[in-house]
Amino acid sequence: DIQMTQSPSTLPASVGDGVTITCRASETISRWLAWYQQKPGKAPKLLIYQASSLQSGAPSRFSGSGSGTEFTLTIRSLQPDDFATYYCQQYERYPLTFGGGTKVEIK
Amino acid sequence: EVHLVESGGGLVEPGGSLRLSCAASGFTFSSYWMHWVRQAPGKGLVWVSRINNDGSSTMYADSVKGRFTISRDNARNTVHLQMNNLGAEDTAVYYCARSLNGYSYFEYWGQGTLVPVSS
Repeated sequence: DIQMTQSPSTLPASVGDGVTITCRASETISRWLAWYQQKPGKAPKLLIYQASSLQSGAPSRFSGSGSGTEFTLTIRSLQPDDFATYYCQQYERYPLTFGGGTKVEIK
Repeated sequence: EVHLVESGGGLVEPGGSLRLSCAASGFTFSSYWMHWVRQAPGKGLVWVSRINNDGSSTMYADSVKGRFTISRDNARNTVHLQMNNLGAEDTAVYYCARSLNGYSYFEYWGQGTLVPVSS
């Protein structure tokens, strides 16, 4: 199975900050990576697919980059609505696997 | 607008069975692959199972293989997850999700249904 490792697990930040979350795959996944945002008690929402393609309706302050084994999700100028947990997911191969999550919390 | 609505969750005893359903609307159901993803309380997301658009191909996580069965009814726009021999480790919120066929990322998710396994 492809292991996905996210860092950090918790990210204290303030409104207006720029933040970056890293996701590493245990083997190359080309650009077959998605990012999701999840708020407590809610289903995840797709933000980014194919490493850097912004899902329709997702705010443009979210961006993704990377290929192979290392990927990043960047939030430019954090907004109050962005405090949530973020997950990466590889879809290079089954079983589909997720990172452990990064909780962006208020500093 | 795409809607996915799960049902069938609830308290079940260890060793018991449960059948989850996911009703889809707002899109041509028979054109899309469907998945189940679960999340144990306070934990991360775990992919469980996938069925292709016509039901001819299924896949499972090792942790549920042989115990869970995914199926779909394209006439009723519904996907099911039959769960047998449940254990405490299966306690989770179960989400159904839609993917763009061979590109297995999850564009749309249901609201989830909770399955607690406890005596």
